[in-house]
Amino acid sequence: DAGVIQSPRHEVTEMGQEVTLRCKPISGHDYLFWYRQTMMRGLELLIYFNNNVPIDDSGMPEDRFSAKMPNASFSTLKIQPSEPRDSAVYFCASSLDRVDYNEQFFGPGTRLTVL
Amino acid sequence: SQKIEQNSEALNIQEGKTATLTCNYTNYSPAYLQWYRQDPGRGPVFLLLIRENEKEKRKERLKVTFDTTLKQSLFHITASQPADSATYLCALDSSASKIIFGSGTRLSIRP
Repeated sequence: DAGVIQSPRHEVTEMGQEVTLRCKPISGHDYLFWYRQTMMRGLELLIYFNNNVPIDDSGMPEDRFSAKMPNASFSTLKIQPSEPRDSAVYFCASSLDRVDYNEQFFGPGTRLTVL
Repeated sequence: SQKIEQNSEALNIQEGKTATLTCNYTNYSPAYLQWYRQDPGRGPVFLLLIRENEKEKRKERLKVTFDTTLKQSLFHITASQPADSATYLCALDSSASKIIFGSGTRLSIRP
């Protein structure tokens, strides 16, 4: 398996533009997570899905952020309109539906710069 | 409020020595605790997991302890090598799905 795939790896955009980040989880994984990482705030959970259904979106900073998972092999995180403070590295991670614990497998991340 | 603290932002260790990283938490009752390694420009990679009823877990040169009374985990790397230089993150969960990460400790091993 190729692991978690994210695209693009780098995105530079101007304030006010729409940004869409994409993620393909590991096949067979039931959970998908979106994180944001900055120097100031560390790794923050934004939202996670179980079997394509959003379970907890309490980490989504505001209405400008939205996430979808139309099927088991694809998810998007959209920011509209983007702002400079959204600049960060966005990670997608997936995990199996284990009863006891969940090791998370992270993608390489998308580095977003909003000018 | 729930809080996870890793002892320091950065730790510098001489090669061959044991590196010890600390993770403290408050207002949590985690079922287990995980440690991840993150290299620059990459996503975190899972290293070890320890459950609340376990005191210690080992994997090669890595050792993790978990003290639920002190609300603390210690992560040890013995016989440290420059290749161990990275940022190490602890993560807690009290459910089977969502985990919360600490801010990380940047470890540097000098030759």
